[in-house]
Amino acid sequence: EDQVTQSPEALRLQEGESSSLNCSYTVSGLRGLFWYRQDPGKGPEFLFTLYSAGEEKEKERLKATLTKKESFLHITAPKPEDSATYLCAVQARGYSTLTFGKGTMLLVSP
Amino acid sequence: SQTIHQWPATLVQPVGSPLSLECTVEGTSNPNLYWYRQAAGRGLQLLFYSVGIGQISSEVPQNLSASRPQDRQFILSSKKLLLSDSGFYLCAWSVAGLHTGELFFGEGSRLTVL
Repeated sequence: EDQVTQSPEALRLQEGESSSLNCSYTVSGLRGLFWYRQDPGKGPEFLFTLYSAGEEKEKERLKATLTKKESFLHITAPKPEDSATYLCAVQARGYSTLTFGKGTMLLVSP
Repeated sequence: SQTIHQWPATLVQPVGSPLSLECTVEGTSNPNLYWYRQAAGRGLQLLFYSVGIGQISSEVPQNLSASRPQDRQFILSSKKLLLSDSGFYLCAWSVAGLHTGELFFGEGSRLTVL
């Protein structure tokens, strides 16, 4: 059974204080790993897709990286508007449906 | 551009009452459609998905059902709600064909069963 574990559950940062979120996974052959952002009371918004170990994707202050066992979402010099819950999901080969983690709730204080 | 609409946004229902949540997608044809539930402290749980009209796949056994009467319409129903049905329900779509990981979610429907 595919599993996704995200840590920490919650993270509080000061504005400008860089950090990383972790997504550990076990899957029977990874097709892709996906990061989403979810604002309170809203549906998740797609951020990145990573397909193979060593791959990196960037968007503004966010950079996602992938190894064979985990993915990191690095947040550089965060701003209060980066506050949200970040969800990680994996898809196994064979184009199965996604398995989501529980998310990391990020709060960036001014 | 594609948009997804989901309603109602919020509802409070007594135990044993029926449920109907509706989702429609605009700007795309034959999308894959999904119903997820997000309960407090739990990850997104896939309930149903559909790759075409009348084609419904259920991921978890429960008292919920789904239907796809039109290409871009997806409905989640229950005949009798349970307390455990409370949660945040999300409809999502992806491009037609094989499941991709790039899902586009609606705004969600928050259901409280009392």
